Amino acid sequence: AQTVTQSQPEMSVQEAETVTLSCTYDTSESDYYLFWYKQPPSRQMILVIRQEAYKQQNATENRFSVNFQKAAKSFSLKISDSQLGDAAMYFCAFSTGANSKLTFGKGITLSVRP
Amino acid sequence: KAGVTQTPRYLIKTRGQQVTLSCSPISGHRSVSWYQQTPGQGLQFLFEYFSETQRNKGNFPGRFSGRQFSNSRSEMNVSTLELGDSALYLCASSLGIGAHGYTFGSGTRLTVV
Repeated sequence: AQTVTQSQPEMSVQEAETVTLSCTYDTSESDYYLFWYKQPPSRQMILVIRQEAYKQQNATENRFSVNFQKAAKSFSLKISDSQLGDAAMYFCAFSTGANSKLTFGKGITLSVRP
Repeated sequence: KAGVTQTPRYLIKTRGQQVTLSCSPISGHRSVSWYQQTPGQGLQFLFEYFSETQRNKGNFPGRFSGRQFSNSRSEMNVSTLELGDSALYLCASSLGIGAHGYTFGSGTRLTVV
């Protein structure tokens, strides 16, 4: 069974600074995908970034980037130039190529200080 | 382009009743999945439908069921509601199966009293 672990329940960052959210996962699959989702108070889960396990290059989307360490089964999210609108709950998630269901971590609440 | 639409947004039901939640996926999306979100258990997968067929089912009792129509709209039903069924129910749609990442709706907040 796949598991996703987010060990930090809360983090805080100063506006315009950089913050890194940690995530580890466990799987015996070789074909899988990793995601970071953001859930603001509006409740809608918003896809932030996606990484295919077979790609060595780390994914980047504007201010968001990941550090994907396949051997260590680590998938952290870096948010640069943090903005007040980044405040939300962030979930790390996993799915395999064969089974598309998402397995989520417990999430981390990110607050941004003005 | 309209997003994933879930109705209703809020629902209050009495223990023992049944409830039906609706999800309209993004136009052209054929895969619809449902998740339950609670403070204690986090996000848990309920089931996934693709082209009207259930492809995958999570570890929930038979009181939880779903279906998908030919226009890809999906409904989930919970019978004999229990207090523990109080949760945010999220629907997500995808163009194909899985790997592209799902687009989620804003959810239905179900409260069982």
